[in-house]
Parts: sequence; C-alpha cells; structure tokens
Amino acid sequence: DAGITQSPRHKVTETGTPVTLRCHQTENHRYMYWYRQDPGHGLRLIHYSYGVKDTDKGEVSDGYSVSRSKTEDFLLTLESATSSQTSVYFCAITGTSGGRTGELFFGEGSRLTVL
Amino acid sequence: ELKVEQNPLFLSMQEGKNYTIYCNYSTTSDRLYWYRQDPGKSLESLFVLLSNGAVKQEGRLMASLDTKARLSTLHITAAVHDLSATYFCAVDLSGTYKYIFGTGTRLKVLA
Repeated sequence: DAGITQSPRHKVTETGTPVTLRCHQTENHRYMYWYRQDPGHGLRLIHYSYGVKDTDKGEVSDGYSVSRSKTEDFLLTLESATSSQTSVYFCAITGTSGGRTGELFFGEGSRLTVL
Repeated sequence: ELKVEQNPLFLSMQEGKNYTIYCNYSTTSDRLYWYRQDPGKSLESLFVLLSNGAVKQEGRLMASLDTKARLSTLHITAAVHDLSATYFCAVDLSGTYKYIFGTGTRLKVLA
C-alpha cells in the first residue's frame, strides 16, 4: 500500500472558521492531489501539485487554497469554511518515474462537516 | 474543459449476468484509469489503460479503451455479489497528470 495519510480523519467545525487538512506521503511521489467527494458529483479535483511550491487549480478551487513546502506534505486550507464545503476530502498521489503508470493512490479520506 | 461521463449512474443486476459500464470523455487523452470504491472506503486502482486498443482483464472485469471514440468500457462477466461497489473512470487531461473523474457507477449485484 502507498504510504499516504490524511489528518484529521473527521472534523466538525462552524461556518466562518479556518480549516486545514493535511496529506502526508512517504513515497516521494511528485504529484499530489486534493479531491472532494459529494453524492451525485463523483470526485472533483480541487487543487493539485506537481512539485514543491508548484500547484495548480482544479475544477472546484474557489474557497480553497493549498501549499506544498516539502515533497511529503500537501495542505488544503479553507480560509473561512461554509456549509457547502461539507464533504469527504481525499488526497491522492502519483509518481512518474521508474516506469510508473500514473495511477493514483488515495488516502483514507477526511470527513468535514461545517455547521 | 475536459468532461467525463459515465453511464449508467446506477446499476442493479442479478448474479450471473453480464453488463457493461461506459465512460465517455470530451477531449483527447491516451490515459484512462478505472477505480473501485466500497461504501465508506477509499478508492483503489483497478485498471490502467495507456493506449488506444488497450484491454486489461482481472477476474470477472475487463476494461478497454478506444481513444478515437473517446470511450472506455468496463465489462462485467457473470456478476457476483462481491463486485457490488461504485466504479469510477478517470482521464488524464492530455498527459498533464491532471485527472478528471466521472461521476461513478454504483453497482449492486443481487443474489
């Protein structure tokens, strides 16, 4: 199994508060991703990173920011959480070297509830 | 903008039957992936399809890719209850490692 952990796994917060989710990998993979999963929408890409300090927006980036100061950590921040950001958030990683095929490896997910 | 559509969204089938899930995408891509998700769990990789005409098989599941038609199929042969899950396809946007997912197909196999 890919070494990827998300924290916290569950969080309940109130509207307007800041929230940071952390994704940590031990695989030294170049690419890291944040997705959100909601019923009827599948997985939607929020942001992704293609290297340290290199990030790009996904399909649903409004209201989210990310940072990657080192290879192993990718942080997702909700500056001021809203109820529409209640979701399950998945981190994923992939590598491109050594014959890797680009398949994603997922963390266990972080369930966020914004009241 | 890359759009990925799966159909059907829900599929209820009897054990022993065959069925196909379809994944259509809107822009050029040679890389398509299938994932499985059990309820309340994370996603796991099923198939990696990296070229036109690629076909992969694992047990009762077979996936194929037609890049000209921008279509991938996931065929289920003689379904069993253990295959009940949600299946997602994902497409790499023109080789950028930016992956867009379909909405998923929730499969329920009835005993």
